[in-house]
Amino acid sequence: ETGVTQSPTHLIKTRGQQVTLRCSSQSGHNTVSWYQQALGQGPQFIFQYYREEENGRGNFPPRFSGLQFPNYSSELNVNALELDDSALYLCASSWTGGDYGYTFGSGTRLTVV
Amino acid sequence: RKEVEQDPGPFNVPEGATVAFNCTYSNSASQSFFWYRQDCRKEPKLLMSVYSSGNEDGRFTAQLNRASQYISLLIRDSKLSDSATYLCVVNTSGTYKYIFGTGTRLKVLA
Repeated sequence: ETGVTQSPTHLIKTRGQQVTLRCSSQSGHNTVSWYQQALGQGPQFIFQYYREEENGRGNFPPRFSGLQFPNYSSELNVNALELDDSALYLCASSWTGGDYGYTFGSGTRLTVV
Repeated sequence: RKEVEQDPGPFNVPEGATVAFNCTYSNSASQSFFWYRQDCRKEPKLLMSVYSSGNEDGRFTAQLNRASQYISLLIRDSKLSDSATYLCVVNTSGTYKYIFGTGTRLKVLA
């Protein structure tokens, strides 16, 4: 059974650029959630995808968008990057809504300069 | 008021000590509760779910107090390898998101 894999592991971008982060969910999981974790903070919910549709969204602006594919893998896209977008981006997969816990990927560390 | 609040610590304890963390949540409709462990610069990993009747997993005991809206984690006989940040997580059944606390840092000293 494979776990959650994310790519890339590290990324440096310039303010104003766009970035795409990728996530492959754990085998058997159909729901993917994305979180942003700033240094010294707990993860903050960005959005969740279930059956290729957005299933809920946190308090993030529209320049944060995502996709889920038929194989349950997912992408997080961020447009017009700002310095405050620098953070660890975590993908978590689960079966349905996550009542039994999420499995997290190791994250993508994004630095915006 | 934050939805999930934790004392950020750090808690510095000697090996073998017993340490307890508390976490309070504001949404009385919350249904699922978890403790996650996060090592420095790593992803969070599920430590244990928290059940209404309380539950134990080896040296770790989790308790839930719905009336006062807090959950706790007790670690007995602390090991050096327990040093990490412990994240309290709350989910409202039927919703789609986990709410994380900011985490409590634990450092176990030799």
